[in-house]
Amino acid sequence: EPEVTQTPSHQVTQMGQEVILRCVPISNHLYFYWYRQILGQKVEFLVSFYNNEISEKSEIFDDQFSVERPDGSNFTLKIRSTKLEDSAMYFCASSAGTVDEKLFFGSGTQLSVL
Amino acid sequence: AQSVAQPEDQVNVAEGNPLTVKCTYSVSGNPYLFWYVQYPNRGLQFLLKYITGDNLVKGSYGFEAEFNKSQTSFHLKKPSALVSDSALYFCAVSRRGQNFVFGPGTRLSVLP
Repeated sequence: EPEVTQTPSHQVTQMGQEVILRCVPISNHLYFYWYRQILGQKVEFLVSFYNNEISEKSEIFDDQFSVERPDGSNFTLKIRSTKLEDSAMYFCASSAGTVDEKLFFGSGTQLSVL
Repeated sequence: AQSVAQPEDQVNVAEGNPLTVKCTYSVSGNPYLFWYVQYPNRGLQFLLKYITGDNLVKGSYGFEAEFNKSQTSFHLKKPSALVSDSALYFCAVSRRGQNFVFGPGTRLSVLP
């Protein structure tokens, strides 16, 4: 089965530093998402992306966050100046976007901000 | 805006017994409902979905779920639980296949 891949699996950074989390969605998918999960609890929506622009974003996705699809295959999440509370597992997901299509998730990047 | 509630943080069941994990939702229009499972240190895996048609949907690993429009519920069920079913289960609702919203999750523990 096709899969979404995420790199790195773990990222440790100092507070205030910039991080980029990378994702390769499934190749024929059109909709891309970032979610995060803190301490194995609630899965929180961050942003959705379609047709090279953000289609929806949550309150969490403030000016410190940005997304990009630089080359038609990668989908990145950038946090400009990390805060302690950004520590979480970040999941990338993609879907074909048809009416009944499911989300496919990557295995996640565990971000630790020290 | 759509929302999902999972009223139980934790469900414990003995192996071989039936299990139910509850989910209620709120969405304008027809709901697109999903169940996902998460094993430790893994991403979310799709179990099953309801879009239209028969209210009882069957999915992976012997799981099924029943859509009840009047109660706005989509409870996950399995007739006979296995220890390997122990995991975190998430109910989700989407708007026409986009913009998924997840419930807070229910941790299922199946005791041998």
